[in-house]
Amino acid sequence: IAGITQAPTSQILAAGRRMTLRCTQDMRHNAMYWYRQDLGLGLRLIHYSNTAGTTGKGEVPDGYSVSRANTDDFPLTLASAVPSQTSVYFCASSLQGAGEQFFGPGTRLTVL
Amino acid sequence: DQQVKQNSPSLSVQEGRISILNCDYTNSMFDYFLWYKKYPAEGPTFLISISSIKDKNEDGRFTVFLNKSAKHLSLHIVPSQPGDSAVYFCAASAGYGQNFVFGPGTRLSVLP
Repeated sequence: IAGITQAPTSQILAAGRRMTLRCTQDMRHNAMYWYRQDLGLGLRLIHYSNTAGTTGKGEVPDGYSVSRANTDDFPLTLASAVPSQTSVYFCASSLQGAGEQFFGPGTRLTVL
Repeated sequence: DQQVKQNSPSLSVQEGRISILNCDYTNSMFDYFLWYKKYPAEGPTFLISISSIKDKNEDGRFTVFLNKSAKHLSLHIVPSQPGDSAVYFCAASAGYGQNFVFGPGTRLSVLP
């Protein structure tokens, strides 16, 4: 692995289903983030983690949960997907809790 | 209400000319700013940053200007190249350890 990876690349999901988006980084970055990108709204922060074992809520956390059991992995879970969660999801990481963030390639999620 | 605004959804520029992308913010506590570039189907990549102690930062063809009193920053690309065609996001942070707020993005098209 080089950098930050996300899986799956894309997913079509029925409303009400549970889904976990995976994110892994090998840069030993302390901080990790989940954003969603929607047309006209840019990137909005869902949840973040400044270090392993801690998480925080971003601008649009409702309907999402995260965990940070170790430095490398930061999965995002939709417990019961709704159509308004159709979006492109980006995971990012940074060395500290500030400064340049490195982004993954994104996961395109469609909830029907 | 968006704290970071990019009021031009799109911009077209002729190859070789200057591209100027604008960003306005409302939160006077913001003191660190980043520009990201995003190609289709890829994650955003960091381009250039500026902190509030400076009013200009230059990196090759890219220069960012900050006008704190006007709460305005701009990204200049000179000369513009077709490979610069992408969506550009402005992001602002209120300091170390604070999360970034992203603007909605401006789609730049550089015409050959």
